[in-house]
Amino acid sequence: DAGVIQSPRHEVTEMGQEVTLRCKPISGHDYLFWYRQTMMRGLELLIYFNNNVPIDDSGMPEDRFSAKMPNASFSTLKIQPSEPRDSAVYFCASSLGSFPVTIKREGFTDTQYFGPGTRLTVL
Amino acid sequence: KQEVTQIPAALSVPEGENLVLNCSFTDSAIYNLQWFRQDPGKGLTSLLLIQSSQREQTSGRLNASLDKSSGRSTLYIAASQPGDSATYLCAVGSGGYQKVTFGTGTKLQVIP
Repeated sequence: DAGVIQSPRHEVTEMGQEVTLRCKPISGHDYLFWYRQTMMRGLELLIYFNNNVPIDDSGMPEDRFSAKMPNASFSTLKIQPSEPRDSAVYFCASSLGSFPVTIKREGFTDTQYFGPGTRLTVL
Repeated sequence: KQEVTQIPAALSVPEGENLVLNCSFTDSAIYNLQWFRQDPGKGLTSLLLIQSSQREQTSGRLNASLDKSSGRSTLYIAASQPGDSATYLCAVGSGGYQKVTFGTGTKLQVIP
């Protein structure tokens, strides 16, 4: 497997423009995560999906951010309009997750596999 | 809200030395704890995952321990090598199924 694939690897845009980041998870993985990494705040979970359904979006900073997962092999993170403070590295990760989110199993979490990230610069 | 702290923020050691990286968390009601490695300009690679019922995990020269009651974990690296140079992050699973909170990271440099 090629691992988690993200595109583009680098994105430079001007303030106010729409930005779309893309992710292809590892085939067969049920969970997909979007993270943001900055020097100031470290690595933050933005949102995660289970079987294409958003489960927890409490980390999404504001309404300018939206994420979708139309099918099991593709997800997007969109920022509209973008601002300079959105500049960061955005990571996508996926995990196997043998259990659906409605069945909690204490102490069980699969290893997350990360993509190479997209470095976003908003001027 | 779970908060995860790693000390020190940076560490430089000579090759061959044994070293310990520390991770502390504020909420002891965790599902598990993971240690990741991040190389510059790249994504994260999982090193070890300790379930809440376990006290330690070992993989090669790496050993991770977990003490939930004190809110601490350590990553022990034996006989360090220049190839170990990277940023090490601990991540705590808590507050929701599959939800993970990352620490601030320790940047390790192993000098040949």
